Amino acid sequence: RKEVEQDPGPFNVPEGATVAFNCTYSNSASQSFFWYRQDCRKEPKLLMSVYSSGNEDGRFTAQLNRASQYISLLIRDSKLSDSATYLCVVARGANAGKSTFGDGTTLTVKP
Amino acid sequence: DAGITQSPRHKVTETGTPVTLRCHQTENHRYMYWYRQDPGHGLRLIHYSYGVKDTDKGEVSDGYSVSRSKTEDFLLTLESATSSQTSVYFCAISGSAVSGNTIYFGEGSWLTVV
Repeated sequence: RKEVEQDPGPFNVPEGATVAFNCTYSNSASQSFFWYRQDCRKEPKLLMSVYSSGNEDGRFTAQLNRASQYISLLIRDSKLSDSATYLCVVARGANAGKSTFGDGTTLTVKP
Repeated sequence: DAGITQSPRHKVTETGTPVTLRCHQTENHRYMYWYRQDPGHGLRLIHYSYGVKDTDKGEVSDGYSVSRSKTEDFLLTLESATSSQTSVYFCAISGSAVSGNTIYFGEGSWLTVV
């Protein structure tokens, strides 16, 4: 079993739809959690950190459930420009050598 | 802009030749990393550094070596390139006073071994 697992998708949704991704992790010592976005043939870029109380950034909402060991990303009012691969990252400490990336969930938003 | 540059951005090389990829950062991050990304495998850590001359292996380190003689530079060397090392390589940094353990990536180096 992988340490961090994501549904690879693809998720194909119409513009304006709400879509949610989940990411499960197996190491209960994990301390920090992030969502990254990666466009085709580009580097991953930080989308948002995930805080214990949940956090929101515009149309994006991230949540953490430590008891069930998963994080989620909700995208409301999807835009064509949201089409990308979304990676979850679970970190055990300040050194990313102790971070694990999920393989990503691919989202395609269609007109 | 996290101040990371990778070079070369694209390279085609022959099997058996040595190849060195360079990562340069300008913002004094403590940690530097080399990842490779392949279809079906996601991002995999090759080596990382937690300071000048301090490096450690990641999950796919065989066939690769690294060096960090200055805070700002982290070199990845393929001693004798093989076709299985055809990939896109991302350098990453973390560990500044401002950004904490958030990881920032360079734009990638596309390597083809023929």
